[in-house]
Amino acid sequence: GAGVSQSPSNKVTEKGKDVELRCDPISGHTALYWYRQRLGQGLEFLIYFQGNSAPDKSGLPSDRFSAERTGESVSTLTIQRTQQEDSAVYLCASSERSTSYTFGSGTRLTVV
Amino acid sequence: AQRVTQPEKLLSVFKGAPVELKCNYSYSGSPELFWYVQYSRQRLQLLLRHISRESIKGFTADLNKGETSFHLKKPFAQEEDSAMYYCALRGPGDQGGKLIFGQGTELSVKP
Repeated sequence: GAGVSQSPSNKVTEKGKDVELRCDPISGHTALYWYRQRLGQGLEFLIYFQGNSAPDKSGLPSDRFSAERTGESVSTLTIQRTQQEDSAVYLCASSERSTSYTFGSGTRLTVV
Repeated sequence: AQRVTQPEKLLSVFKGAPVELKCNYSYSGSPELFWYVQYSRQRLQLLLRHISRESIKGFTADLNKGETSFHLKKPFAQEEDSAMYYCALRGPGDQGGKLIFGQGTELSVKP
């Protein structure tokens, strides 16, 4: 595709429910990143996929968070048993090796 | 630990005034430094990177390793420069690696 696509663009969920966020990277980009941006705060690194290497999960805040990526294509970020503090914009980005990121427009998650 | 600090949450200037958005970093080694910008209702996008040593939209940034800073400067601010600006760092690595972002500075350019 022409850019990084994220879906849904907005998601409202009840506390305790599971949510799944999707990211379609730019075709051919080997690296894919997930970030979280809480209101009024900077971007918080969550997880990074590079090709077939083991992902860097060092930013995942708890075991309720997980992410998968199939090859060099789509990635899904799953949040189980959502809490109100999970409310944020979740940003996905992709890049070729050592080049700058291309960001998606994000998924705004609201946990009520 | 890798860290990026942007001390100003909000910077407000008048059109035509010089602007400097501060960024300091903590990293043992030779990192790559970037500035990203997010205009209202648009995606986060790359503004410039230190290795390119270029000027984009009149903005420049010089990496000062002695002061561990990468401040973003523009001599004459324009209203269309109003946006959120994020400084970011990436350590050198064989696979590029993740970016570490600062908290961001909101630049407001008043007419």
